[in-house]
Amino acid sequence: GNSVTQMEGPVTLSEEAFLTINCTYTATGYPSLFWYVQYPGEGLQLLLKATKADDKGSNKGFEATYRKETTSFHLEKGSVQVSDSAVYFCALSPFSNAGKSTFGDGTTLTVKP
Amino acid sequence: DTGVSQNPRHKITKRGQNVTFRCDPISEHNRLYWYRQTLGQGPEFLTYFQNEAQLEKSRLLSDRFSAERPKGSFSTLEIQRTEQGDSAMYLCASSSRQVAGELFFGEGSRLTVL
Repeated sequence: GNSVTQMEGPVTLSEEAFLTINCTYTATGYPSLFWYVQYPGEGLQLLLKATKADDKGSNKGFEATYRKETTSFHLEKGSVQVSDSAVYFCALSPFSNAGKSTFGDGTTLTVKP
Repeated sequence: DTGVSQNPRHKITKRGQNVTFRCDPISEHNRLYWYRQTLGQGPEFLTYFQNEAQLEKSRLLSDRFSAERPKGSFSTLEIQRTEQGDSAMYLCASSSRQVAGELFFGEGSRLTVL
């Protein structure tokens, strides 16, 4: 079956540091890949997405590139802010059944001033 | 543009009682999903609807769980004879056919079974 593996947290960084959160996946076919973010006290919201190999998703200074050869979709940001403190979830949606997304367990990021 | 709305936000019940959660999706979205999330885990798929048709159910959804979307708009998730293991956050999400897989989540309904 499909699965998503994220680097374990928590991750603590100082403001303006570089962020990488690793995500690898197992799936048949060509899934779409997503990063969702959950800020404290809020629901999950889509951060960025990529629907085919070599696509780069980007939003709010975050980026992730769909790497089919390494089955990865690592999240990066060049300079984090305190307001980026949240839980980040990597997810895949299979091409054959877009209703059934599979999520990683989430990585908690804390950014200190 | 109102988002996905869920209620109640928090429900505390005694083991053996029935509970029902309601989800109102984004109005133009024809797909509606239910997920369950426990502490430290990512959301787990339970079931989804396209319009009023329930197209798939996870094996996580035991016969004590039932979901409906009678008119293709709001949905309800009922848990009968609740057990302590049912304690979790129940998440509803919706999406459009055009961007299937891109989910818009509500804030969730937290269930605590005593």
